[in-house]
Parts: sequence; structure tokens; C-alpha cells
Amino acid sequence: DAGVTQSPTHLIKTRGQHVTLRCSPISGHKSVSWYQQVLGQGPQFIFQYYEKEERGRGNFPDRFSARQFPNYSSELNVNALLLGDSALYLCASSSRTDTQYFGPGTRLTVL
Amino acid sequence: QQQVKQSPQSLIVQKGGISIINCAYENTAFDYFPWYQQFPGKGPALLIAIRPDVSEKKEGRFTISFNKSAKQFSLHIMDSQPGDSATYFCAASARAGANNLFFGTGTRLTVIP
Repeated sequence: DAGVTQSPTHLIKTRGQHVTLRCSPISGHKSVSWYQQVLGQGPQFIFQYYEKEERGRGNFPDRFSARQFPNYSSELNVNALLLGDSALYLCASSSRTDTQYFGPGTRLTVL
Repeated sequence: QQQVKQSPQSLIVQKGGISIINCAYENTAFDYFPWYQQFPGKGPALLIAIRPDVSEKKEGRFTISFNKSAKQFSLHIMDSQPGDSATYFCAASARAGANNLFFGTGTRLTVIP
């Protein structure tokens, strides 16, 4: 079975632009979470969606938004990009259990 | 405020030795404690996880020890191999609410041949 997939793999944007990152969960998983991992640090929680409903939001500004589609895939949107948004963005999927499985991430560079 | 504190920041171990990484938490609502392994440029991969109803869990060369009263847990890697060289993250979550993971700051392990 395929694991969590994310696209694109890498992305370069300039300050002020917006970006959309995509995630497909493991087949059968209905929950998707997004994390930001700045170089040298642990992942930080951004959002969690379950059955298309937002279940949790981390301490990130309103420039960050997300949604989950009927097929349980998800998008993370970031508006008005800042240099500090440069990071690895990770998507994790889970079933009804605690275990979260991470995708390979999208490396975002903001210039 | 770091909800999960991890140490050491880096660790160098000889091949065949034991690698030990420690984590501590404050939130008593946490009830799930996984460890993840991450190679450069890759996403974190789940290694092993424990719940507070047991004090130890072993899977192959990896063992989690859990001390509920001290609010501490640790990862032991027995017979460490060069292929184990990676960054290791402890994490914690609570079933109530969003069930999101709070990660430690990571330990970069280097196993010398």
C-alpha cells in the first residue's frame, strides 16, 4: 500500500506570494495533520482535520489555512509568505488510533 | 514553551554500543508517546510507541522505558549500527482534543564504525 504522499517535493517562492501544498493520506485514513519543521527543530503542529472538519489548530497566524476534501486528501495554503515560512512542511495521516504516519514533506524556500 | 524536553542534542556512539536518548514532559494529559527516526531530507518514520499503562516496550533493538511518576521516557538502541545514524525525535499526544503530537527538539545520533 502507498504511504502518505505530498506534492510538490520542493518549492521556491518569493516574499508576499502564496503557496498551496497537497497531501494524500494512506488509504482508509480519514485524519490528516499538517506540521512545520524548521531546519534543526522538531515538527510543530499547524492543523488537524478529521472527516473534513477542523479538529485542531496550532499557534500559527491566519495566513495559514487548510482544508480536507471528500476523498480525505488535504491542502495547506499559506498567504503573504515571509522568509520565516521557509521550512519542511509535513503531512501525517492516521486512522482512529493515535498513530500518525508522515509523508516525505514539501521543502518550501521563501526568497 | 517546549512541552516535551529532549536530551542530549547530539550523541556519538561506537558500533555495537548502546544509544540512550531521554525525554521529559509536564502535561499529565499526555497518554501516547512515540519515537520517530528522521533521515536528512525525509519525513519522520515511526519507530516505536508506548502508552502509560506499561513501563517498557521492546521491538527488536529498540526499547522504550517509561516512568510515569517522573514524567520521563527514554529510547534505548541496543547494538547500535552505522545505519542507525539519524535524528531521533520523541513526541507526546493526548487523546482528548486534537490528538496532535508535541515533539522534542531532536537528537542527532552518529554511530561510528
